[in-house]
Amino acid sequence: DGGITQSPKYLFRKEGQNVTLSCEQNLNHDAMYWYRQDPGQGLRLIYYSQIVNDFQKGDIAEGYSVSREKKESFPLTVTSAQKNPTAFYLCASSIDKGLAGVSYEQYFGPGTRLTVT
Amino acid sequence: SQKIEQNSEALNIQEGKTATLTCNYTNYSPAYLQWYRQDPGRGPVFLLLIRENEKEKRKERLKVTFDTTLKQSLFHITASQPADSATYLCALDLNNNAGNMLTFGGGTRLMVKP
Repeated sequence: DGGITQSPKYLFRKEGQNVTLSCEQNLNHDAMYWYRQDPGQGLRLIYYSQIVNDFQKGDIAEGYSVSREKKESFPLTVTSAQKNPTAFYLCASSIDKGLAGVSYEQYFGPGTRLTVT
Repeated sequence: SQKIEQNSEALNIQEGKTATLTCNYTNYSPAYLQWYRQDPGRGPVFLLLIRENEKEKRKERLKVTFDTTLKQSLFHITASQPADSATYLCALDLNNNAGNMLTFGGGTRLMVKP
């Protein structure tokens, strides 16, 4: 089965601890994305990566870090510097041929709900 | 400022009727617009994509329109069913040099009553 997986589904952490969320895809997609979703709100982009070993900040990157050492994997670390880390985190991937004039759908994982107390 | 607005109030309709959801945007010039469905506690699922020079796109019971003059997209579900109950998100693809990036609206929750 091709798809995108995130683990774990639920994660609980104490304030002040860093935590890493996993995201893996076997769709052979070049581009991967991390979003944050708060209750009743839309998705906000944290980081994205168009190619291995390269990534860019999204709209709300402060307090987060990522790596892209393999095409299949794009882990997100929520650091203790993130002031309001409790949220639903979604990872996505898409084809990205780097062409203007084309748009591709994004495939989303099931999400990780992080609770920090 | 740039905004994408979807009705934050839930839309309640009777089974069999047509549901119409609205996506308005300000100070964006999207080349494409996408619609997604999201069920509670799950990731969004892609439904439809429409280009700026397309007025309308259909897929089974779904229809999307895109009016770049009004800066608005309408999403219609005809012959709605209780299984269509979900949150629907619109997303703008500005199609700039930053790759396949989307900017999402806040979503509208649709409740279809039997």
